[in-house]
Amino acid sequence: NAGVMQNPRHLVRRRGQEARLRCSPMKGHSHVYWYRQLPEEGLKFMVYLQKENIIDESGMPKERFSAEFPKEGPSILRIQQVVRGDSAAYFCASSPEGQGTGAYFGPGTRLTVT
Amino acid sequence: AQSVSQHNHHVILSEAASLELGCNYSYGGTVNLFWYVQYPGQHLQLLLKYFSGDPLVKGIKGFEAEFIKSKFSFNLRKPSVQWSDTAEYFCAVNTDKLIFGTGTRLQVFP
Repeated sequence: NAGVMQNPRHLVRRRGQEARLRCSPMKGHSHVYWYRQLPEEGLKFMVYLQKENIIDESGMPKERFSAEFPKEGPSILRIQQVVRGDSAAYFCASSPEGQGTGAYFGPGTRLTVT
Repeated sequence: AQSVSQHNHHVILSEAASLELGCNYSYGGTVNLFWYVQYPGQHLQLLLKYFSGDPLVKGIKGFEAEFIKSKFSFNLRKPSVQWSDTAEYFCAVNTDKLIFGTGTRLQVFP
């Protein structure tokens, strides 16, 4: 049973470009979380999704950021018109159900904006 | 809104020393509590979890944590650390979503 997969592992974008980060949850998991990790700031919750449904996006910046988890295929975190401040590690985690469970993490995508 | 506080940002210990990392949460209802570990260059792994029952929870690699409801705490402990325990440790709370503390960086010197 493969773990949570994220790709790419490293992504370099110039300011103003778009970044697309992909997350394939563990088999049988229907819930996905996205977190951002900045040095000295720990893990910041961004968004929590179920297939075809955003459950909680209270941690997402209001502009330029969006996330989806379609019925088929991976979850996508999309950052439009990236800025230097978007440089961070983005982690995806999946769980088999929503509440009351832990989550399994992917290896992360390190985004660098030049 | 739920939140998690980890007061120790950076802990430095010698091998064989005892470890206790603090974790406090703010939420009045039923919570599920977790400790995750992130070794250098790796992704987060679950160390231990508390859902219900015995408030003293034992995890992998000799770690344990105690849930004290009256103090809203879930401190992580290990009686004798090893150099290989050098990592970042995150406490997390799950009510309607999984929220993490800012992490504690542990450095263990031989």
